[in-house]
Amino acid sequence: GAGVSQTPSNKVTEKGKYVELRCDPISGHTALYWYRQSLGQGPEFLIYFQGTGAADDSGLPNDRFFAVRPEGSVSTLKIQRTERGDSAVYLCASSLGNSGEQYFGPGTRLTVT
Amino acid sequence: AQRVTQPEKLLSVFKGAPVELKCNYSYSGSPELFWYVQYSRQRLQLLLRHISRESIKGFTADLNKGETSFHLKKPFAQEEDSAMYYCALTQGGSEKLVFGKGTKLTVNP
Repeated sequence: GAGVSQTPSNKVTEKGKYVELRCDPISGHTALYWYRQSLGQGPEFLIYFQGTGAADDSGLPNDRFFAVRPEGSVSTLKIQRTERGDSAVYLCASSLGNSGEQYFGPGTRLTVT
Repeated sequence: AQRVTQPEKLLSVFKGAPVELKCNYSYSGSPELFWYVQYSRQRLQLLLRHISRESIKGFTADLNKGETSFHLKKPFAQEEDSAMYYCALTQGGSEKLVFGKGTKLTVNP
């Protein structure tokens, strides 16, 4: 079946602009995660949803970052007033929850110029 | 705070040689440990997790709580093992993965 998908695959934006990154999890997966991977680093946790609610948003770096999952399926990561330091690959993963295996998407490469 | 350390950024071996990718962690509780792998132009995927005690693609990893290590081993490396390897953990009660910085393994012919 289809895996986790993310759109767009690449996004170039100017400093100060607003961006939205989309994640489509595997059908039936109740848990959804966002990670950010900077060059030369491992993925860093941002936020985790169980169903529609954010169960853990402790990894969001500041209030410019926000994520939603209104119907418990697709999720959108929103970044306001982008900064050059936000440039990274944003990864989404989903799982059946309860410590199930996390399946990763291909990522969105965000470049802020 | 929990931390995962992979001391080798790059590791290069010849085909047929043994390989060991090191991973140390710092966490006071009982974490669950994982190895994830990313082959060229592919997405990140789970290789193995310590609770399953499986051998995947010839790789094994033993959790050593005394040394807080979870090294990944394979007795005879293959060229197709060339990839980026990440060690990760989850802390008790949390679903989030904490990753190391990764080790790039190159297996030369």
